[in-house]
Amino acid sequence: DSGVTQTPKHLITATGQRVTLRCSPRSGDLSVYWYQQSLDQGLQFLIQYYNGEERAKGNILERFSAQQFPDLHSELNLSSLELGDSALYFCASSPSGDNQPQHFGDGTRLSIL
Amino acid sequence: AQSVTQLDSQVPVFEEAPVELRCNYSSSVSVYLFWYVQYPNQGLQLLLKYLSGSTLVESINGFEAEFNKSQTSFHLRKPSVHISDTAEYFCAVSVLNVNTPLVFGKGTRLSVIA
Repeated sequence: DSGVTQTPKHLITATGQRVTLRCSPRSGDLSVYWYQQSLDQGLQFLIQYYNGEERAKGNILERFSAQQFPDLHSELNLSSLELGDSALYFCASSPSGDNQPQHFGDGTRLSIL
Repeated sequence: AQSVTQLDSQVPVFEEAPVELRCNYSSSVSVYLFWYVQYPNQGLQLLLKYLSGSTLVESINGFEAEFNKSQTSFHLRKPSVHISDTAEYFCAVSVLNVNTPLVFGKGTRLSVIA
């Protein structure tokens, strides 16, 4: 058990819809990372938050947004969903983020019909 | 920018045989290196890391990796694999002393055959 909790585990929705994925980091970790894993693209870094502030941005589409709340949990919002957004979305956390190993949740599997 | 190349997408190996999963990185500055393992239907778990010091690092379950700066490699090895080692293995790199996200390789699927 990594200590990182992601909900829901599975999500099935239709094109054009909007979903919210939730992540609770390990106790004491201030940094949260979001990744997308798909068969064709592999593991892609989306975005990092540190103590409520955006710290680094990767290959995140404009239709996607994230935030980290005062209690340090984070949400990833995906809107105007397309078939290609079907993927596993992982959240990871680390104490501060500076080159520290990240601990991953079990992911949310998003299926777009 | 940093990049990671995992040369083999799939590696089948018989139980109790040795295995090497190859990882090469590209960076103009010093890096930290990591290996993560992903078992079916689970998230990634840190297997081992190289931050500094001895170039040979070991995990608790018998894997080891050696940092080779001249060859920019961080290959993962195990002298005798078990069925339970069947998983996907990811190599990752981050830049020393700079807060940058991990850059992952595309992964190597290790299949251990009984």
